[in-house]
Amino acid sequence: DGGITQSPKYLFRKEGQNVTLSCEQNLNHDAMYWYRQDPGQGLRLIYYSQIVNDFQKGDIAEGYSVSREKKESFPLTVTSAQKNPTAFYLCASSPRLAGVYDTQYFGPGTRLTVL
Amino acid sequence: AQSVTQPDIHITVSEGASLELRCNYSYGATPYLFWYVQSPGQGLQLLLKYFSGDTLVQGIKGFEAEFKRSQSSFNLRKPSVHWSDAAEYFCAVVGGSSASKIIFGSGTRLSIRP
Repeated sequence: DGGITQSPKYLFRKEGQNVTLSCEQNLNHDAMYWYRQDPGQGLRLIYYSQIVNDFQKGDIAEGYSVSREKKESFPLTVTSAQKNPTAFYLCASSPRLAGVYDTQYFGPGTRLTVL
Repeated sequence: AQSVTQPDIHITVSEGASLELRCNYSYGATPYLFWYVQSPGQGLQLLLKYFSGDTLVQGIKGFEAEFKRSQSSFNLRKPSVHWSDAAEYFCAVVGGSSASKIIFGSGTRLSIRP
């Protein structure tokens, strides 16, 4: 089955720790995205990548970092510089470089809680 | 700047009743519009999208939406809801300075009354 997997489903972090959220897709999509979801605020774009070894900041990139070393993988690191990281994180992908005009396919999400 | 407004935070309808979820957008050119659905604790799934052409768009699961340029609206409708339609619904528009990202509304949570 083709799709997007995210792991772990739940993640707990102590203050001051960096954590990495995994996102893998086997859809052969070029574009991948990370969103943050908070109650009542919809989805906000953190980073996106249109091709391997290239990525762009979204609206709320501060305190986050990404890499795109392989087409199928787009991990997100939440650093200690992110002041309020508790949220639901969603990874998505779309087929083409001009990905916004395509359907975005979403993973099941990772819920991160800072203790 | 482009924006999307979903004025209803939470709506409750009875099973079998009709549904309309409101979405208003702000965009200077012809908008590219989407409706996504999110079940609790899950990712988002595309219901339908509008790029051009017929202003009444059919989607999956019996949903449809109508683009009305004069009202800057893209409301989602379903003639008869089922208990499985309980979820959060997001309207979205392509936006950004280079049309390089999708801007999501804040969502409307739909509850179904038995």
